[in-house]
Amino acid sequence: DSGVTQTPKHLITATGQRVTLRCSPRSGDLSVYWYQQSLDQGLQFLIHYYNGEERAKGNILERFSAQQFPDLHSELNLSSLELGDSALYFCASSQPPNYNEQFFGPGTRLTVL
Amino acid sequence: SQQGEEDPQALSIQEGENATMNCSYKTSINNLQWYRQNSGRGLVHLILIRSNEREKHSGRLRVTLDTSKKSSSLLITASRAADTASYFCATDRADKLIFGTGTRLQVFP
Repeated sequence: DSGVTQTPKHLITATGQRVTLRCSPRSGDLSVYWYQQSLDQGLQFLIHYYNGEERAKGNILERFSAQQFPDLHSELNLSSLELGDSALYFCASSQPPNYNEQFFGPGTRLTVL
Repeated sequence: SQQGEEDPQALSIQEGENATMNCSYKTSINNLQWYRQNSGRGLVHLILIRSNEREKHSGRLRVTLDTSKKSSSLLITASRAADTASYFCATDRADKLIFGTGTRLQVFP
């Protein structure tokens, strides 16, 4: 158990809908990262938040957004969902100075029908 | 885009044998890490090796790093059926991890 929690575990929804994925980092970790894992793209970095502020963006679509709240939990919002958004979404957390030693949550499996 | 490529893509061995996986990457790195992923589950951090290190051990795991060749290898000794999983290398670039394509390891009892 990494100490990172994600909810829900599974999410099935229809095209065009909007969903919110939630992540709670390990106690004391200020950084939260979101990744997407799909069969065709592999594991891709989406976005990084540090103590409430966006630090880096990767291959994140404009239909996707994220935020980190004062209690350090984070949410990833996916809107206007398409079939191709079906994937595993992971969040990870870390703390300085080892900010790149990231600990991953169990993931949320999103299925868009 | 993915930084690393892993080789082989898939590996099947018997329990007790050693498993070696290789990772090649494209740009200079600060650290390289290896992660394990059981089928459809979260990634488990295995080991981190810094760019100024050449070899690191953790239990049955041995990682080597050759920055001149931009490559790393992960050796699992005396494998067990429970080692069956996908293994990914990851390099860091500006606060994010860039993952390789992964090696699927199957260990038969």
